[in-house]
Amino acid sequence: NAGVTQTPKFQVLKTGQSMTLQCAQDMNHEYMSWYRQDPGMGLRLIHYSVGAGITDQGEVPNGYNVSRSTTEDFPLRLLLAAPSQTSVYFCASRRTGAINEKLFFGSGTQLSVL
Amino acid sequence: DAKTTQPNSMESNEEEPVHLPCNHSTISGTDYIHWYRQLPSQGPEYVIHGLTSNVNNRMASLAIAEDRKSSTLILHRATLRDAAVYYCILRDRKGAQKLVFGQGTRLTINP
Repeated sequence: NAGVTQTPKFQVLKTGQSMTLQCAQDMNHEYMSWYRQDPGMGLRLIHYSVGAGITDQGEVPNGYNVSRSTTEDFPLRLLLAAPSQTSVYFCASRRTGAINEKLFFGSGTQLSVL
Repeated sequence: DAKTTQPNSMESNEEEPVHLPCNHSTISGTDYIHWYRQLPSQGPEYVIHGLTSNVNNRMASLAIAEDRKSSTLILHRATLRDAAVYYCILRDRKGAQKLVFGQGTRLTINP
């Protein structure tokens, strides 16, 4: 079982470039989300989605766009990369049936913006 | 949102029990207490959750204070593979879609 798959694992960008971090899950989860984790810090929620066509902002949404056209995929777009977006990005998903459904995380994408 | 407070780091020895504390003095009556852990270079993984009663699973036990203002994650017999950052999180019913992580406790296990 693949679970939550993130690509790429590593990426280096120059300031001002754009890119899309990919996230796919094969568990038919309605809920998907993106977190970033800076060195020595906990995770901060960027955006989340409760189903195809529905997205909402988390704690730190500025500089990031998301869309959810299918249940399986939830890409995160950086339109104008900045050094402050250097971080490790984690995608997570879960079912939405009960409040205590556990989150499943991907293995992360390490992004450096020079 | 109610917040949690955890020690930045703890250290224990292999094959000994570990008690990881979490304070959540502003917890509301419907907040669930969740624990996740993050092994080195991996994404977080679910450990356990509870509301009022103590909970056990194959990974750990969760002891919740009677007033619910604190809880303790118990690893009964720590192994080197339990070295990780442990996050105590409150699941807010109002903002139920959000799971807010703090800085967690970095647990070191000595051989």
